[in-house]
Amino acid sequence: AQSVSQHNHHVILSEAASLELGCNYSYGGTVNLFWYVQYPGQHLQLLLKYFSGDPLVKGIKGFEAEFIKSKFSFNLRKPSVQWSDTAEYFCAVRIYGNNRLAFGKGNQVVVIP
Amino acid sequence: DAGVIQSPRHEVTEMGQEVTLRCKPISGHNSLFWYRQTMMRGLELLIYFNNNVPIDDSGMPEDRFSAKMPNASFSTLKIQPSEPRDSAVYFCASTLGQGGHGYTFGSGTRLTVV
Repeated sequence: AQSVSQHNHHVILSEAASLELGCNYSYGGTVNLFWYVQYPGQHLQLLLKYFSGDPLVKGIKGFEAEFIKSKFSFNLRKPSVQWSDTAEYFCAVRIYGNNRLAFGKGNQVVVIP
Repeated sequence: DAGVIQSPRHEVTEMGQEVTLRCKPISGHNSLFWYRQTMMRGLELLIYFNNNVPIDDSGMPEDRFSAKMPNASFSTLKIQPSEPRDSAVYFCASTLGQGGHGYTFGSGTRLTVV
């Protein structure tokens, strides 16, 4: 079965530090990849997505992610975090031709001012 | 566009009672999804509809759970009878086509069964 793995479920860092969250998936076919963010008490919002083309995808709020097909990975990065980036981050994978969007368990990120 | 609208935002009910959660997808979206979020299990897909037809309900935990989509603008998720372990945040999401452009989520319903 398709699975999505996110490591380091809890991340604590200071403002201006760099952030990288890992995401690996198990499906070998064509996939669409997404990162969602959930701020405390809110719903999930799309940060960025990859369909095809340039494997380096830029999203909102200074986030970017790189698709590395050989590693089945889609890691999320931000060079310098802010306190307002405190949230939970979810990686999601959709197999091409299938409606299902499978989510990882999420990364809880806390940014200390 | 008002986005995906869910109601109620919060629901507290006693064990054994029937609970109905409601969702209005984005106008024009033809796929609708119900997710449950808990600390232990994260985000689980319960069921999804395409053009008002249930396509995959393999994530529905038990027969106590049922979902309907009588038309393109409304869906319900019902739990009868409810149990304390059903306490979670239930999200509805919708998309156009096969979801290749991502899903839009509602604000969720926080259900507490006491």
